Amino acid sequence: EAQVTQNPRYLITVTGKKLTVTCSQNMNHEYMSWYRQDPGLGLRQIYYSMNVEVTDKGDVPEGYKVSRKEKRNFPLILESPSPNQTSLYFCASSREPGVSEQYFGPGTRLTVT
Amino acid sequence: DAKTTQPPSMDCAEGRAANLPCNHSTISGNEYVYWYRQIHSQGPQYIIHGLKNNETNEMASLIITEDRKSSTLILPHATLRDTAVYYCIVRVSSDFNKFYFGSGTKLNVKP
Repeated sequence: EAQVTQNPRYLITVTGKKLTVTCSQNMNHEYMSWYRQDPGLGLRQIYYSMNVEVTDKGDVPEGYKVSRKEKRNFPLILESPSPNQTSLYFCASSREPGVSEQYFGPGTRLTVT
Repeated sequence: DAKTTQPPSMDCAEGRAANLPCNHSTISGNEYVYWYRQIHSQGPQYIIHGLKNNETNEMASLIITEDRKSSTLILPHATLRDTAVYYCIVRVSSDFNKFYFGSGTKLNVKP
């Protein structure tokens, strides 16, 4: 089954404790992206990747890092999480950006205390 | 600066057509318009996309105006399961790899 998976689905952590949210897709898609969703603000793009070793900033990249060492994986790294990064995070992938649909993962709900 | 403008909410009676409008006045000539929906806090689900011509699939129809500055998503026979937030999306014209979701329209389908 074609899908995007994210882990963990739920995470409660404390300020400053480094964490990684994993994202994996099994569709051989070149484009992958991370979004965060906050009440009243909709989905905002954090980072995206056009292919292996090619990443770039979205609208809200501050406080986040990403890497794309393999085509199927696109982890989101929070080196020093802060409470304002409490949010619902979605990973997505697509064959090509802008001309094909994005497939979204189930989401990761992160709480930073 | 907003790339898309949608009404915050709409109601629709079950079984009737739901027409969801979107303004995208700054869209560039080669940018597609995409529609997604999100049920509760699940991952957004692709519905349909188009460039110039009207499009139809098993879920919905997409009507794009001739000047491409606005579009309408039509759910022909709305059901209670269509209650969701519907997002109209265009790429950011200064960077074709970025996507702007906007705040969407909450569609309430009522019995």
